[in-house]
Amino acid sequence: EVQLVESGGGLVQPGGSLRLSCAASGFTFSSYAMHWVRQAPGKGLEYVSAISSNGGSTYYANSVKGRFTISRDNSKNTLYLQMGSLRAEDMAVYYCARERSGSYGNWGQGTLVTVSS
Amino acid sequence: DIQMTQSPSSLSASVGDRVTITCQASQDISNYLNWYQQKPGKAPKLLIYDASNLETGVPSRFSGSGSGTDFTFTISSLQPEDIATYYCQQYDNLPRTFGQGTKVEIK
Repeated sequence: EVQLVESGGGLVQPGGSLRLSCAASGFTFSSYAMHWVRQAPGKGLEYVSAISSNGGSTYYANSVKGRFTISRDNSKNTLYLQMGSLRAEDMAVYYCARERSGSYGNWGQGTLVTVSS
Repeated sequence: DIQMTQSPSSLSASVGDRVTITCQASQDISNYLNWYQQKPGKAPKLLIYDASNLETGVPSRFSGSGSGTDFTFTISSLQPEDIATYYCQQYDNLPRTFGQGTKVEIK
């Protein structure tokens, strides 16, 4: 069974940093591109970042470019999102998702990031 | 970025009703469109991929159609467990933008 489990969320002050992790199991992690999608409280889904299966290509939404870094460790079956210079508008539930031919057939349960002083 | 415009933003219908949601892309995306269902406090769930293909295990009352810029998502007979917010998403280009969502409620 495919499982994606996010961790690392929590309370952080504006300007602070946080690293999210997404532990994958039940599939060959190194064969799939992976994505981060977030959802602010009471709002819709917002695309954040993507990384290719081997980590060689990455993509960032304009809203996080230069502040967030996506990476992966295929030996540990883990996806990461390093978030820096956090702002109030970054407060959201962050989901990792596995790509299958353009679709997200598997999602994690999400991890909440709260940005507040 | 490709903009995805969903309508309506919310709707209320009776059990057994046919429900239709539309999604319009700001440019031609061929059939590179997905539909997701999200229930409160849960992660989104893929229902339809490639505009009209039903994901494995998803009830056949859900369907999708369209290509180019105009797409439709239909629930043929609304059930109580279908109460959720539905999102379209294009994957023709990065960023893979979502529609703003349609909240479906029971009348």
